Amino acid sequence: EIVMTQSPATLSVSPGERATLSCRASQSVSSNLAWYQQKPGQAPRLLIYGASTRATGIPARFSGSGSGTEFTLTISSLQSEDFAVYYCQQYNNWPERTFGQGTKVEIK
Amino acid sequence: QVQLQESGPGLVKPSQTLSLTCTVSGGSISSGGYYWSWIRQHPGKGLEWIGYIYYSGSTYYNPSLKSRVTISVDTSKNQFSLKLSSVTAADTAVYYCARTQRLLIGWFDPWGQGTLVTVSS
Repeated sequence: EIVMTQSPATLSVSPGERATLSCRASQSVSSNLAWYQQKPGQAPRLLIYGASTRATGIPARFSGSGSGTEFTLTISSLQSEDFAVYYCQQYNNWPERTFGQGTKVEIK
Repeated sequence: QVQLQESGPGLVKPSQTLSLTCTVSGGSISSGGYYWSWIRQHPGKGLEWIGYIYYSGSTYYNPSLKSRVTISVDTSKNQFSLKLSSVTAADTAVYYCARTQRLLIGWFDPWGQGTLVTVSS
């Protein structure tokens, strides 16, 4: 099983600042990585797929990068609605799908 | 656009079988190209893929749950279902249904709102 490890567990950021979240895979997943945002009491929402392609309707302040085993989600200027938990997910090995444990972005 | 909605009992007794249904609207399960998935989230924890099904009935399960999981599809009702047998308190979680595709188009979108299932006597 491919294990996804996210860091940090919690990130404290002030509104308007940049947030950088990391996701590491236990083996290469090429660019087959997605990012999701989850707010309390809601289902996860797809943000990024293919490591760097924004899903429909996702603001440009969200960007993804990386390939292989190291990935980054960057939120360029945090808005109030961006405070949430973010998950990465790999889909490199059909049919296996695994998620990271999440990074909580909280208000500093 | 496609929408998914989970339904089923919110309380299940230990050793019994958890049964949930996901109803798909705004699109047909039978149209092909998509796999219909179940994912769960333990309270305050991360996400765990349970398995998925194609409209033809082909299924794939998480090896860690495979012995207890059955996913089925009813194309006439545009629904798919999850059965998890011999549940324990460790199966208490929010259960989501979601859509994905095979191979390297494997992200999940959209998701249902989720339903909390508590295992308790």
